[in-house]
Amino acid sequence: ETAVFQTPNYHVTQVGNEVSFNCKQTLGHDTMYWYKQDSKKLLKIMFSYNNKQLIVNETVPRRFSPQSSDKAHLNLRIKSVEPEDSAVYLCASSRANNQAPLFGEGTRLSVL
Amino acid sequence: QQKVQQSPESLIVPEGGMASLNCTSSDRNVDYFWWYRQHSGKSPKMLMSIFSNGEKEEGRFTVHLNKASLHTSLHIRDSQPSDSALYLCAGGRAGGADRLTFGKGTQLIIQP
Repeated sequence: ETAVFQTPNYHVTQVGNEVSFNCKQTLGHDTMYWYKQDSKKLLKIMFSYNNKQLIVNETVPRRFSPQSSDKAHLNLRIKSVEPEDSAVYLCASSRANNQAPLFGEGTRLSVL
Repeated sequence: QQKVQQSPESLIVPEGGMASLNCTSSDRNVDYFWWYRQHSGKSPKMLMSIFSNGEKEEGRFTVHLNKASLHTSLHIRDSQPSDSALYLCAGGRAGGADRLTFGKGTQLIIQP
């Protein structure tokens, strides 16, 4: 049973729009992550957030930004979506940053 | 270039048979591995971790690690149809899960 909750499950939008995805974990974990899983199922880390320290994967385009209000929430904003942003976005958390991430069920984004 | 290589890409095993999946990292900084299982339409779930040379067994699942060659393998004995899934290997570097690199996965199909 997952304790990492993501909304929405699906989102369809047009090129150039702004989108936001929400993620909340109820486990009291210290570290949260955003991953992108493409159509070939390759999982790539985008961001990790631990104790107000943000680590960004250098390959992530600047139109992506994480937003955190507290250690239980890490949202993802995409300023102006592109077709290549179509993917499943997976939020995860771990007790510490050396523990295996526990994934939420994901948000599937389709950009038309 | 993918730093974590998994083989085979896909594997068909008869029910009750043994499934063997391989994973190698080309990153010499990798210190441990996690194996995740992802059923179709679901998020990845951590299956097993291995941090030390040798073998680790949990029920029908056995993981091997050779740190010198940065090779890990996952073996599933008495395979069940419910084992049909995408198996993802992740190499972890000292410093935390934000340094995880996932392979492209092995799609395992167990034929009844």
